[in-house]
Amino acid sequence: SQTIHQWPATLVQPVGSPLSLECTVEGTSNPNLYWYRQAAGRGLQLLFYSVGIGQISSEVPQNLSASRPQDRQFILSSKKLLLSDSGFYLCASERGSSYEQYFGPGTRLTVT
Amino acid sequence: AQTVTQSQPEMSVQEAETVTLSCTYDTSESDYYLFWYKQPPSRQMILVIRQEAYKQQNATENRFSVNFQKAAKSFSLKISDSQLGDAAMYFCAYRRANTGTASKLTFGTGTRLQVTL
Repeated sequence: SQTIHQWPATLVQPVGSPLSLECTVEGTSNPNLYWYRQAAGRGLQLLFYSVGIGQISSEVPQNLSASRPQDRQFILSSKKLLLSDSGFYLCASERGSSYEQYFGPGTRLTVT
Repeated sequence: AQTVTQSQPEMSVQEAETVTLSCTYDTSESDYYLFWYKQPPSRQMILVIRQEAYKQQNATENRFSVNFQKAAKSFSLKISDSQLGDAAMYFCAYRRANTGTASKLTFGTGTRLQVTL
């Protein structure tokens, strides 16, 4: 079974600072990878997804970017954080025809 | 675009009783997947159950079962013999079926389930 790791678990950053959130996956190869964001008390919104190394698709144009330098590594970045970037960020991995997405523990980001 | 609606922001159930959480969705596609996820206070999303739209038989996982009504576009979750550990936020989610490519999960806004003694 898959295990998804995310770090850091919690992050407090000032407005205008850079961001790098990392997600790594164990127990599978060539997964589809996803970054979601969850605002307080809301459902999840897809930010980016990737079907392979170097292949990134963006769902919502915004202040963030994503990269996939290795098969099981997915990185979410920003050059300059905005207050509106605060939220809970979840990485998900999907493998196979079951279409089940498994989530990491998430990163709570607070931009001050 | 697909939408998922959960009309019950909060539900409460007594321990050992049964509760049903509602979900409706809107899609023009005939092949898709539906999921229920549980989000406890730790906020990690945990997959509870999955239903393939082409299967008429309702999915069951231990104490969790669904009532899938494709024509009505309804997908409810029944939790039997509720336990304190079932207390969480529950999200209904939809995914297109498109073999070989990625596709997002479209989530509802969630139902907060309280379990009382």
